[in-house]
Amino acid sequence: NAGVMQNPRHLVRRRGQEARLRCSPMKGHSHVYWYRQLPEEGLKFMVYLQKENIIDESGMPKERFSAEFPKEGPSILRIQQVVRGDSAAYFCASSPRTEDEAFFGQGTRLTVV
Amino acid sequence: AQSVTQLGSHVSVSEGALVLLRCNYSSSVPPYLFWYVQYPNQGLQLLLKYTSAATLVKGINGFEAEFKKSETSFHLTKPSAHMSDAAEYFCAVSEVGDDKIIFGKGTRLHILP
Repeated sequence: NAGVMQNPRHLVRRRGQEARLRCSPMKGHSHVYWYRQLPEEGLKFMVYLQKENIIDESGMPKERFSAEFPKEGPSILRIQQVVRGDSAAYFCASSPRTEDEAFFGQGTRLTVV
Repeated sequence: AQSVTQLGSHVSVSEGALVLLRCNYSSSVPPYLFWYVQYPNQGLQLLLKYTSAATLVKGINGFEAEFKKSETSFHLTKPSAHMSDAAEYFCAVSEVGDDKIIFGKGTRLHILP
């Protein structure tokens, strides 16, 4: 059973471009979480999804950010018109149920130049 | 709303000495509590979790944590530090019935030879 897979591991985008971050949860896990980690900061919750549904997006910026978890395929975190402040490590986690531990991927490090 | 406070963003201990990383939480209902470890350029790995069973929880790599409701604390300890313990440690809380894990800002553990 492979772990949570995130790709790419590193992503460089110019200001104004779009960034797409992918997350494949562990087999059998239907709950996906996205977190953002800024330098010297903890992990900030962004969004929680189940298959085809956004359950909690209270941590998502109101503009430019969106997330989906389609019936087939990975979960996608999409950032439109990236700015330098979006540079961070983005982590995805999955769990079989909300009260179970979350397993984390190795993260995607986004650099906006 | 739940929250987590980790005292000390950096902690240094000598190899072989006791490791103590402090965590206090705030929760209006019985919490689930977690400690995660993050090695450089890696995702988070679960060390241990408290889910209202035994108050003293043993985890991997010789770590353990004690849930103290009266002090709202969940400090992480290890009797004897090893060089390989150098990493960043995150305390986290989740509430029964909630859907997300809230992380502290992390404590970077340095091991001195």
